[in-house]
Amino acid sequence: KQEVTQIPAALSVPEGENLVLNCSFTDSAIYNLQWFRQDPGKGLTSLLLIQSSQREQTSGRLNASLDKSSGRSTLYIAASQPGDSATYLCAVRDSGGSNYKLTFGKGTLLTVNP
Amino acid sequence: GAGVSQSPSNKVTEKGKDVELRCDPISGHTALYWYRQRLGQGLEFLIYFQGNSAPDKSGLPSDRFSAERTGESVSTLTIQRTQQEDSAVYLCASSPFEGSYNEQFFGPGTRLTVL
Repeated sequence: KQEVTQIPAALSVPEGENLVLNCSFTDSAIYNLQWFRQDPGKGLTSLLLIQSSQREQTSGRLNASLDKSSGRSTLYIAASQPGDSATYLCAVRDSGGSNYKLTFGKGTLLTVNP
Repeated sequence: GAGVSQSPSNKVTEKGKDVELRCDPISGHTALYWYRQRLGQGLEFLIYFQGNSAPDKSGLPSDRFSAERTGESVSTLTIQRTQQEDSAVYLCASSPFEGSYNEQFFGPGTRLTVL
């Protein structure tokens, strides 16, 4: 059974700092990995999706990497801003069996202080 | 175009009552998913619909939970005889068609509180 772990559970940084969020998964047989952002009282916003054949994806100040063999992904946020404050969720889509559902980590709560 | 919408946004109910949650997927999306997010927990898969195929109900936690979908449109998740442990945010997602490369687009969720 796939398990996804996110470290740290919470992170507080001053504005302008670069930061890294970590995600690990136990079964490397995945189709893709997605990073989401969740704001209080709102749904999930997809940030980046990395296919299993890819090593990284970039969008603006965000860069996500994937090392499938070691079961790890990182989300790098450059020059953090107070508006980046949210919970960041990592989810993987397995390549076998019921491969349409996502397995989520519990998230990292990020606070960027002005 | 419009994203995934869910209603109600908040629902407070008494233990033992039935509740119905609604999801409107993005138009044209054939795949629809329900997830549950309990406090301090990751999202848990509940059920999956794809076109006219039989749904995958393997994630439903008990027989008090059921879901329906009319064609490729609206879905409803029904919880009968609600219990306090059912309190959670229920999230719906849709994707354009089933394939390994498709992203799931999520709605804002329904926050259910069972007193």
